Amino acid sequence: EADIYQTPRYLVIGTGKKITLECSQTMGHDKMYWYQQDPGMELHLIHYSYGVNSTEKGDLSSESTVSRIRTEHFPLTLESARPSHTSQYLCASSGDAGTHETQYFGPGTRLLVL
Amino acid sequence: GENVEQHPSTLSVQEGDSAVIKCTYSDSASNYFPWYKQELGKRPQLIIDIRSNVGEKKDQRIAVTLNKTAKHFSLHITETQPEDSAVYFCAASKGGSYIPTFGRGTSLIVHP
Repeated sequence: EADIYQTPRYLVIGTGKKITLECSQTMGHDKMYWYQQDPGMELHLIHYSYGVNSTEKGDLSSESTVSRIRTEHFPLTLESARPSHTSQYLCASSGDAGTHETQYFGPGTRLLVL
Repeated sequence: GENVEQHPSTLSVQEGDSAVIKCTYSDSASNYFPWYKQELGKRPQLIIDIRSNVGEKKDQRIAVTLNKTAKHFSLHITETQPEDSAVYFCAASKGGSYIPTFGRGTSLIVHP
């Protein structure tokens, strides 16, 4: 079944650790996005990609980095986690024929940095 | 850049009442306006969308209206049910951008 997958779903980690949040999609979409969201609150765009080898920063300043080596895979990396990074991270993709702008979201990763 | 304002931030209604959520946008070039519903602990999901060449669109109990002149669009939910309780986000984007600007969200609470 076509979907967007995120792992891990929950992560508790200590300050200073390097972490990578995984996102993969089987939707066949070319565009992918990362959002930061405190539960039920605003969606803040932190990174996006139009396709392989394309990455751009979003509106929210972030200390994270992303890569897009394969169409279906868009991992987000925090080199040194801090308590201020505690939040939910949502991955999304778009690119359906005819509805290129509709975003499909993954289930999210809830990150707690101690 | 685009700016999307969404009101109200919280809306509390009785089951069976109607609910209306309003959004305004600033960029007249925006031409795609989706609405997403996010239930507690779940991912946002598209519930309805409208393009700038249409003034109104309905899907069962949900409708969206667009006023291009005034640059605002609204979500209408009739005969609300407890399962409509969620956070609703409006968004606006323009052709070729694929980067939506989201509103801040409206928490809708439907009391049984």
